[in-house]
Amino acid sequence: SQTIHQWPATLVQPVGSPLSLECTVEGTSNPNLYWYRQAAGRGLQLLFYSVGIGQISSEVPQNLSASRPQDRQFILSSKKLLLSDSGFYLCAWNSDRVYGYTFGSGTRLTVV
Amino acid sequence: SQKIEQNSEALNIQEGKTATLTCNYTNYSPAYLQWYRQDPGRGPVFLLLIRENEKEKRKERLKVTFDTTLKQSLFHITASQPADSATYLCALPRNQGGKLIFGQGTELSVKP
Repeated sequence: SQTIHQWPATLVQPVGSPLSLECTVEGTSNPNLYWYRQAAGRGLQLLFYSVGIGQISSEVPQNLSASRPQDRQFILSSKKLLLSDSGFYLCAWNSDRVYGYTFGSGTRLTVV
Repeated sequence: SQKIEQNSEALNIQEGKTATLTCNYTNYSPAYLQWYRQDPGRGPVFLLLIRENEKEKRKERLKVTFDTTLKQSLFHITASQPADSATYLCALPRNQGGKLIFGQGTELSVKP
């Protein structure tokens, strides 16, 4: 069966520090991968998506970036965090055959 | 611009009653619509997908309707239980590219 792993679960980082969040999927190949962010009491905002290795599409201009070094690995990064980067970050996958998204357990990021 | 609207106010109902949640959209012509459940501090969980040519879809105690003329979907939980308490999100694929855009969700509270 397919599973998705996301870590860390919580993170407190100072302003200006770098960020690296990792997401891996098991049990499927060539998944579509997504990074969403959810601010407190708000809906999910699509940040990045990828349909294949090295293929990244950005939805929102910001100081975040994403990379897909392997088929089932998706990484969210920042060189210098801002206070406004705080939020709940969610990785998800689906495929052309499985329309519903499967989400990871999320990372709660607090920038202080 | 494409917009999804869900009741921002929490819905409080008594156990055993039917909960009805609403999702309205504008400037969309979606081929399908999805509903998700999200518990506090967790990622959303996919519940149901309904296609534009389907008027109604059922899964156990869940029923979803999709009216493309009204641009509205209704999500029903019959014989509701306290364990159904959560936030429910509707999601639609964008007109371009098919990436899911989520509503802000409606919080449901089922009291015993």
